[in-house]
Amino acid sequence: ETGVTQSPTHLIKTRGQQVTLRCSSQSGHNTVSWYQQALGQGPQFIFQYYREEENGRGNFPPRFSGLQFPNYSSELNVNALELDDSALYLCASSYDNYGYTFGSGTRLTVV
Amino acid sequence: DQQVKQNSPSLSVQEGRISILNCDYTNSMFDYFLWYKKYPAEGPTFLISISSIKDKNEDGRFTVFLNKSAKHLSLHIVPSQPGDSAVYFCAASAEGAQKLVFGQGTRLTINP
Repeated sequence: ETGVTQSPTHLIKTRGQQVTLRCSSQSGHNTVSWYQQALGQGPQFIFQYYREEENGRGNFPPRFSGLQFPNYSSELNVNALELDDSALYLCASSYDNYGYTFGSGTRLTVV
Repeated sequence: DQQVKQNSPSLSVQEGRISILNCDYTNSMFDYFLWYKKYPAEGPTFLISISSIKDKNEDGRFTVFLNKSAKHLSLHIVPSQPGDSAVYFCAASAEGAQKLVFGQGTRLTINP
């Protein structure tokens, strides 16, 4: 059984740019959640997708958006990047909210 | 509003001794609690969980205790091994909620 894979592992963007992060769910999982982990903090919930629909959202502005595809893979898009968006972005997949499996994350640096 | 708090940023323990990591929460709607372990450059890995209907759950060297009246849980690792050195996150969820709420993490170092 394959785990959760995220790409890219690292990237550097300039303030104001847009970025797309990708996540492939673990086989058999139908739910994808995205978390932002700032340095020295715990992961913070951004949003969750279930059967291609947003199914819950944390305290993040609308410039954070996402998609889930029929194969349950997912994208996180962030527009108008700000310096504070620099963080580790974690994707977690699960089956009906049970048994979260996390990917290794994408380290985003905004300069 | 930090609903899940891990007040110790770091903990150092001798190999073979017991490691005790603590976590406090404020939201009484939380009914499921989890501990994750994270190595550098890896995602969090599930370690052990406990439902609010229990006060203890054990899995090998790892035991989680839940004190609902104090809104406090702890993770005991015994005996501690060098491979246990990592950052440990406490997380909580409420029934029907889609998210896990994490604490800030505790960096555990096991000294030989």
